[in-house]
Amino acid sequence: DTGVSQNPRHKITKRGQNVTFRCDPISEHNRLYWYRQTLGQGPEFLTYFQNEAQLEKSRLLSDRFSAERPKGSFSTLEIQRTEQGDSAMYLCASSEYRGRSEQYFGPGTRLTVT
Amino acid sequence: GQNIDQPTEMTATEGAIVQINCTYQTSGFNGLFWYQQHAGEAPTFLSYNVLDGLEEKGRFSSFLSRSKGYSYLLLKELQMKDSASYLCAVRSDNYGQNFVFGPGTRLSVLP
Repeated sequence: DTGVSQNPRHKITKRGQNVTFRCDPISEHNRLYWYRQTLGQGPEFLTYFQNEAQLEKSRLLSDRFSAERPKGSFSTLEIQRTEQGDSAMYLCASSEYRGRSEQYFGPGTRLTVT
Repeated sequence: GQNIDQPTEMTATEGAIVQINCTYQTSGFNGLFWYQQHAGEAPTFLSYNVLDGLEEKGRFSSFLSRSKGYSYLLLKELQMKDSASYLCAVRSDNYGQNFVFGPGTRLSVLP
């Protein structure tokens, strides 16, 4: 397995546009997380899936953000009506259900909203 | 609430030993993780503690005191490639969804 992959790696968009990011987790991992990270800060939790069920969503997340994991494999994160404050690195991570369940991170998608 | 504190920056010399501290206040506790993150890259897993004590893994060791809400990461025989941010993260429940990351400590290793 090649690890967690994310596409695209970079996205530049104009304010007000919608963007969608994709994450492909490690195949045997049933937990999937989305985080947002800005410069000099640690990752900030956005949402979490166990298989196809979205079990947790950050209270800080506005209604413009939505995520899906339709078949319990890949996931998408959509941001509608982007704002300049959405500019950040969006990280996806996956983990197993058992044991210490450390998270394996993808390379991230860097979003720039102009 | 959930809060994790780490020093913002640290500097050390190649070949030396450095200790990066982390204090946490979370609503629950089910494990503490340390990650390394090089600039522009994704975090990578370094260590895990769920019981009190020291876990050693090559040049890296991590310590946990649950009663004090305290952990540290010890890096020995520092190398230039250890220059990175080190993130402390706490899993605060048994179901896996509550991971809280600290702000990270940016370590610079000087020759």
